[in-house]
Formats: sequence, structure tokens, C-alpha cells
Amino acid sequence: DTVLTQSPALAVSPGERVSISCRASEGVNSYMHWYQQKPGQQPKLLIYKASNLASGVPARFSGSGSGTDFTLTIDPVEADDTATYFCQQSWNDPRTFGGGTKLELK
Amino acid sequence: QIQLVQSGPELKKPGESVKISCKASGYTFTDYAMHWVKQAPGKGLKWMGWINTYTGKPTYADDFKGRFVFSLEASATTANLQISNLKNEDTATYFCARLPHPGTNWFAYWGQGTLVTVSS
Repeated sequence: DTVLTQSPALAVSPGERVSISCRASEGVNSYMHWYQQKPGQQPKLLIYKASNLASGVPARFSGSGSGTDFTLTIDPVEADDTATYFCQQSWNDPRTFGGGTKLELK
Repeated sequence: QIQLVQSGPELKKPGESVKISCKASGYTFTDYAMHWVKQAPGKGLKWMGWINTYTGKPTYADDFKGRFVFSLEASATTANLQISNLKNEDTATYFCARLPHPGTNWFAYWGQGTLVTVSS
């Protein structure tokens, strides 16, 4: 299976820029997607195919990368962005998720 | 609007079975497969597999072959997940999820999740 590795946690101040990384154990082309999950809620799609903003998602969110290294950037960070962010690949079978990065605001 | 509404929380004992439902609305049910995703408490997400809502054929990820069954009540636009011989490690929130369009492979629509707790 394709293992997706994310840093467990990050802490930033509102108004700053934050980059959340996801590294794949093998190439996934551009088939990396990003989700936001708040406690007690279902995941919400933010970015699909590495860099495409999902419908209704603020332009503060952006994605980049291809192959094995991907980044989700939030700029500027707002208080409401406190959540866990997951990457997911759908190039290799089975589709897999990263362990999640918990974003906390200082 | 597109909605996936899941059944409520379940408390079960080891060895029992549970059936979770996912009621879809706002679109033609048989046009989109239904996927299932597991999230153990405080853990990440794990894709379980999917069911073709037109043919009823299920496909299971390797870790979910055997005790897990995907089924449909197509007339009720509902997908079901049944887990038999429950184990403590089945304690998790289970989500149903749908792709945005045929031919895509990311999850744009999610149910609210169903918490299954397995405890003696």
C-alpha cells in the first residue's frame, strides 16, 4: 500500500501562512487530495488533484506538488482553520490516507 | 442538495453484529458508487471499499474482507454496512462517502458518520 506521511501537529498564529506537507512512499502522479476535519464532524474536501480548489472553499487554501511530495498551504490562517488535515491518494490501489496533521492556533 | 444521512450510534458486545445505513438524496442513487471509510478513535481514515449502486457488486479493501458486507436497498436509496462477529478493534466511526462525478476518485460528499462502540 502507498503510505502517506504527514507531520502530526503544527501551531501557528492567526494571519500567518502555514504549509502542511504530505509525502508518499511511491509516486501518485497528481492524484493527491486534501480534507479538513473538525472534531465530531465528517471530513470536508478542500483540494483535489493536488492543486484544484473544491467548490465553496476559500481561496486562502491552495495545494501544490506532484509525484511524491505535496503541500497544502493556508494563507492567511484564520481561527476557524483549527482542525486536522488529511491527505489522500487515489493513484495506487488501495486508496490511502495520511495520518493527519492537527493544526492549532497560538 | 446532495445529502448522505447515516443511522445513529450503536453499542454492541464482542461477537455481535451491527448494520449501519447511509440514506442518499438529491441525486440519482444508481449513478454513483458508495464508498465506506473507517476512523478509529483519535486515528486517521482508512478506506474500506465501495459498492456499485447499479449492479450491487461490492469491492472490499484487503483489511475488510470476511466480516464486512456492503449491501443496498436501492428502492430506498440506501447503502448499508454490516459487520459481523464484532471485535474491540471495530470500535470506530464509519463514514459513507461519494465521488463528485463519475470517473473521479476523491470524496466530495460524506455522511455525518456512525459511531460503533464494541465493549463487553
